[in-house]
Amino acid sequence: QQPVQSPQAVILREGEDAVINCSSSKALYSVHWYRQKHGEAPVFLMILLKGGEQKGHEKISASFNEKKQQSSLYLTASQLSYSGTYFCGTGQQGAQKLVFGQGTRLTINP
Amino acid sequence: DGGITQSPKYLFRKEGQNVTLSCEQNLNHDAMYWYRQDPGQGLRLIYYSQIVNDFQKGDIAEGYSVSREKKESFPLTVTSAQKNPTAFYLCASSITTGGSGYEQYFGPGTRLTVT
Repeated sequence: QQPVQSPQAVILREGEDAVINCSSSKALYSVHWYRQKHGEAPVFLMILLKGGEQKGHEKISASFNEKKQQSSLYLTASQLSYSGTYFCGTGQQGAQKLVFGQGTRLTINP
Repeated sequence: DGGITQSPKYLFRKEGQNVTLSCEQNLNHDAMYWYRQDPGQGLRLIYYSQIVNDFQKGDIAEGYSVSREKKESFPLTVTSAQKNPTAFYLCASSITTGGSGYEQYFGPGTRLTVT
């Protein structure tokens, strides 16, 4: 079953912060986060594995709440280059495949 | 440079024709995947393969076929049975078959238009 992302879209000014959420109805082993620019391939941001950890990548970080079957992606002091559509992909224990959310479109204005 | 190659970038076909999309990787990855993306939507899994000469159906396999005769190659055929084939097709690979804890690398995609 497809994870649910929220919000579906968000518009920010450069320098503002954003949070994107990803919720699943199933127990999760992994959560992947990707960013896709229009017409291009998704680019990997980070993976979080079962264990409730938090990871960081420059000014982009994420958390994974295993109990709530949720992950959140945090973008701080957003830059114009952060614009794009963000997807979470969720994986279950023992499964090879991912199931992706519908995406969150992030627009950063100057 | 290591990576995933998809060709062509744009493909146009007439309704009723089969068409094959190419995907090649030189990353020495075991697992390969095909996804379909429609405007404003997420990625939906068509087929995936964990090893040569073996593959599994994803969530929307009807009207598609694949082969995995070589580790580096995972072509996708969109058959005439696929009712709505116009979409952006993405191929991906990951280093191992050891579960979903490994990053997937994506190719640049092929945009297929069927009229």
